[in-house]
Amino acid sequence: DTEVTQTPKHLVMGMTNKKSLKCEQHMGHRAMYWYKQKAKKPPELMFVYSYEKLSINESVPSRFSPECPNSSLLNLHLHALQPEDSALYLCASSQRGFSGNTIYFGEGSWLTVV
Amino acid sequence: GENVEQHPSTLSVQEGDSAVIKCTYSDSASNYFPWYKQELGKRPQLIIDIRSNVGEKKDQRIAVTLNKTAKHFSLHITETQPEDSAVYFCAASNANTGFQKLVFGTGTRLLVSP
Repeated sequence: DTEVTQTPKHLVMGMTNKKSLKCEQHMGHRAMYWYKQKAKKPPELMFVYSYEKLSINESVPSRFSPECPNSSLLNLHLHALQPEDSALYLCASSQRGFSGNTIYFGEGSWLTVV
Repeated sequence: GENVEQHPSTLSVQEGDSAVIKCTYSDSASNYFPWYKQELGKRPQLIIDIRSNVGEKKDQRIAVTLNKTAKHFSLHITETQPEDSAVYFCAASNANTGFQKLVFGTGTRLLVSP
């Protein structure tokens, strides 16, 4: 099973709303990631969790708040977003190791901020 | 930090022709180079990857070559088919940290005409 499951698939939210994106994997991977992808652009790394600890924050605005409750789950809490935050948000996971392990992407959550 | 350049941005070929996409990277510490295919509205999917201790890797119609000295790597698709039409992203990472901080190229839109 190489599945990374993301919910919801589509989300429309107002600029004053609070919402969350959820991600789950059952591959035993200990590294989990959030990427943001705008139309016709490559994915951009936002956060990396390794062994449930935040290892990388790529200077992401505080209106995005990640959380890793356990080794299988990753959340992205959204608050006071701007219309320019509308994008595809991709969760991913990989084995923690030193051999260049494959990153598996979820199907993504399409976010529209109105 | 790492910077990955990718060319061409668009590539149109006839079915059965070969397609070549080229990437260069800047950080000599990068040692893992995956290629992702992304169809419209879908997640990036790994199609092939190569590690820095290997110069070439093949998987059926797809091959990747790596020149560490010149810091460039290429994707070769032979006998292209219409279903190969998609956006292709190269990426580079230093896998020694135990997780993948992938830096993506800007993408190549491949169109295969029947």
